Amino acid sequence: NAGVTQTPKFQVLKTGQSMTLQCAQDMNHEYMSWYRQDPGMGLRLIHYSVGAGITDQGEVPNGYNVSRSTTEDFPLRLLSAAPSQTSVYFCASSYAENTEAFFGQGTRLTVV
Amino acid sequence: KQEVTQIPAALSVPEGENLVLNCSFTDSAIYNLQWFRQDPGKGLTSLLLIQSSQREQTSGRLNASLDKSSGRSTLYIAASQPGDSATYLCAVFHDDDRGSTLGRLYFGRGTQLTVWP
Repeated sequence: NAGVTQTPKFQVLKTGQSMTLQCAQDMNHEYMSWYRQDPGMGLRLIHYSVGAGITDQGEVPNGYNVSRSTTEDFPLRLLSAAPSQTSVYFCASSYAENTEAFFGQGTRLTVV
Repeated sequence: KQEVTQIPAALSVPEGENLVLNCSFTDSAIYNLQWFRQDPGKGLTSLLLIQSSQREQTSGRLNASLDKSSGRSTLYIAASQPGDSATYLCAVFHDDDRGSTLGRLYFGRGTQLTVWP
C-alpha cells in the first residue's frame, strides 16, 4: 500500500524561484493538509482541503498556494521561495473529519 | 488558540523500563487526540487515536489515556526497547471555535526518547 506519497524527498532552491511539492494519496481520503516542521516549533498547518475543489488557509499560509482538482492529489506551490521557507514539509490525509491522520515521508526543502 | 505541550522534551532510559510521556493542551474542547512516532529524517507514523469519548486506547505495549477535563493525555510504553527510540508527538483535533475541526491538527513539539541497551 502506497498511502501518502510526497515528491521530491529533497530540494534546494534559490531565493525567488518557484516550485511545486507533490502529494498524492491512494486511500480515497477526503481530507488532506500540508504542514511544515521547523526545529523547536513543532508542526504547523499551512493549508488544508476537505474535498476536491475546496481549500482553506491554515496557521502559516503566506507564500504558499494550493489547489485540489482531484481527490488523490494536493500539490503545494511556493510562489517565490525565501530562506524562511527552509523547512521539512509534510502532507497528511484522513478519511473523514477527526479520523486517523496518515502522513507522507516529507520533503526537505532548503532555500539559499 | 490551542497550545499543546509535551513534557519532558527528552528522555533517556535503560532497556526494559516502563515509561510515561505527557501531553497537555490548553483548550479542553478537543475532538480526538492522536499520538505519532517520528524516526530521524522520516515521516510521522500513527500510533494511537483516542476519541474524545474514550479514556484509554491500547496497542501492543502502548497505552494512551485521555482526560479532557484536565487537558491531559499520557502515553505509557511498557518494557521499553532500543527500537522504541524516536520522537513521540501528540496532536489534537481542535475547531478554533468554528464548530468543526475540518481535520486540522495542533501538534506538540514532541518528546525525544532514547532507550539504551
